[in-house]
Amino acid sequence: AQKVTQTQTSISVVEKTTVTMDCVYETRDSSYFLFWYKQTASGEIVFLIRQDSYKKENATVGHYSLNFQKPKSSIGLIITATQIEDSAVYFCAMREPYTEGADRLTFGKGTQLIIQP
Amino acid sequence: NAGVIQTPRHKVTGKGQEATLWCEPISGHSAVFWYRQTIVQGLEFLTYFRNQAPIDDSGMPKERFSAQMPNQSHSTLKIQSTQPQDSAVYLCASSLDWGGGQNTLYFGAGTRLSVL
Repeated sequence: AQKVTQTQTSISVVEKTTVTMDCVYETRDSSYFLFWYKQTASGEIVFLIRQDSYKKENATVGHYSLNFQKPKSSIGLIITATQIEDSAVYFCAMREPYTEGADRLTFGKGTQLIIQP
Repeated sequence: NAGVIQTPRHKVTGKGQEATLWCEPISGHSAVFWYRQTIVQGLEFLTYFRNQAPIDDSGMPKERFSAQMPNQSHSTLKIQSTQPQDSAVYLCASSLDWGGGQNTLYFGAGTRLSVL
């Protein structure tokens, strides 16, 4: 079973709208870290935003924000006012520092986001 | 800040040959990770170092893969007797303080290995 699951393989939205990408995870750690990265067409993997599990407030960076629902083991990425250059593959990842053999980033399979003009 | 630097960007080897991939982490970062990316498997963890010491190599295919970090400014991933299934993009990433609060990983551009 995958530890980090992104069920949406591809999403297409019109420019300037808001999009939400889903991610669910499995962990037994009481404290863990969640990340979102994007991979551009050139292959570059860029860090976007993170959520520390012990923080109740949803993280926000620029036009990226998170919808962290700890009881549901869910960490959604919300992009507002999307731009053409937001077109990329988005990866959700988890770090479990207290689980042996899991103190690394474990990635989901990714969601391809297409922004149409 | 130049970011994580990986060389070469592309490498083509024949089956059975050796391939060495290089990574220069961000200056001052204490942790270095290696990942492999394929269409089928996605992003797979291979190994990581903290303060140059190998910490976890549980993702490394046994026998043919090895990684070293001889100094704080570079790490190498060596694949002996390359096979077609080794074809992938190999990614290096570094973190300022993996054990502490600054545990975000920053990735290099990757090395695309093609084994013919």
